[in-house]
Amino acid sequence: QKEVEQDPGPLSVPEGAIVSLNCTYSNSAFQYFMWYRQYSRKGPELLMYTYSSGNKEDGRFTAQVDKSSKYISLFIRDSQPSDSATYLCAMTYTGKLIFGQGTTLQVKP
Amino acid sequence: DAGITQSPRHKVTETGTPVTLRCHQTENHRYMYWYRQDPGHGLRLIHYSYGVKDTDKGEVSDGYSVSRSKTEDFLLTLESATSSQTSVYFCAISGDRVRDTQYFGPGTRLTVL
Repeated sequence: QKEVEQDPGPLSVPEGAIVSLNCTYSNSAFQYFMWYRQYSRKGPELLMYTYSSGNKEDGRFTAQVDKSSKYISLFIRDSQPSDSATYLCAMTYTGKLIFGQGTTLQVKP
Repeated sequence: DAGITQSPRHKVTETGTPVTLRCHQTENHRYMYWYRQDPGHGLRLIHYSYGVKDTDKGEVSDGYSVSRSKTEDFLLTLESATSSQTSVYFCAISGDRVRDTQYFGPGTRLTVL
């Protein structure tokens, strides 16, 4: 079993939809949680970073962490075609960053 | 890309040849990492460095070696490339290994024929 599980998709939604991306993990020691966005043929770029349970909001993006359920989510409101990318969750506790497989999102105009 | 460059950006080589990929940073970050990204596997750590001449293995280090003679440069070497090493390679940097997030370079697409 992988330490971090993420549905690879692809996920296709119409423009303006609310998108929910999720990861589950098995190691309760994880303390820091991140979401990266990766456009085609580019390097991953940090989108959201959190180290506690609860919600963190940044513009149209909300990261949610539920440590009791070992579950993290990224919500995208009012999705745009420019949000089309692969979204990778990542987490760490000793500095070893473990990535999910990534979910490919397509937002159709 | 947070002051990180990788060279070359694309390379095609033949099985059995040595290959060196270079990562260069201008951020003066202590930690540098090499990952490979493959469909179905996501990003996997090959090697990382926690200072000049200080390196350690990641989860997929077999067939790879690294060197760091200067803070700004981290080299990844495939001593004898194999087709299974066809992949996209990313370099990343961070200031603190536990709390700091990692910033990624643009990647090198390597094809081993």
